[in-house]
Amino acid sequence: QVTLKESGPGILKPSQTLSLTCSFSGFSLSTSGMGVGWIRQPSGKGLEWLAHIWWDDDKYYNPSLKSQLTISKDTSRNQVFLKITSVDTADTATYYCARRAGGNFFDYWGQGTTLTVSS
Amino acid sequence: DIQMTQSSSSFSVSLGDRVTITCKASEDIYNRLAWYQQKPGNAPRLLISGATSLETGVPSRFSGSGSGKDYTLSITSLQTEDVATYYCQQYWSTPTFGGGTKLEIK
Repeated sequence: QVTLKESGPGILKPSQTLSLTCSFSGFSLSTSGMGVGWIRQPSGKGLEWLAHIWWDDDKYYNPSLKSQLTISKDTSRNQVFLKITSVDTADTATYYCARRAGGNFFDYWGQGTTLTVSS
Repeated sequence: DIQMTQSSSSFSVSLGDRVTITCKASEDIYNRLAWYQQKPGNAPRLLISGATSLETGVPSRFSGSGSGKDYTLSITSLQTEDVATYYCQQYWSTPTFGGGTKLEIK
């Protein structure tokens, strides 16, 4: 059974760095073709892909946010991490991690973790 | 980036209706198209991949079609549990989502 769960700070002040963790089970990032991505959704709005990382440590970023994003993984602990530097109120959203299998779509999603950026 | 446009952000439907949701890509995405269903407070759920392949456990009243730039998600005989927001997503290049189409009951 594939499960993913996000964790994060819940609230940050503008200019701080966001650190998110995705803990997963039921698959391994040591398996060829596996990947995990991050997607966010402001309240009442649509989905925005942020970044993803593949089993071979290949990484891809949303071009419009690339300078602020860093994705990494700990394969042995079944975790993926995302850092976003210099957050502002526009980064207030629910952040999801999701599995990307070989088809490059997101077949399993976590429940999401909410972030509020406020001074 | 490939832009994905869902022409209707919302529309009202009746239970039992056949519903068609459209999604248009800014360039050919070669059927690399997924559809997701999202209910309030929940994460998106993958319904269809490869434009037409229904995921395991998704009711057969859902179907996908299209090619090139233009794709549709159809729901025959809308049920109460289908009231949700539906998103398309292309994966021909770095992923992008449509803006979503919210179904509401008349």
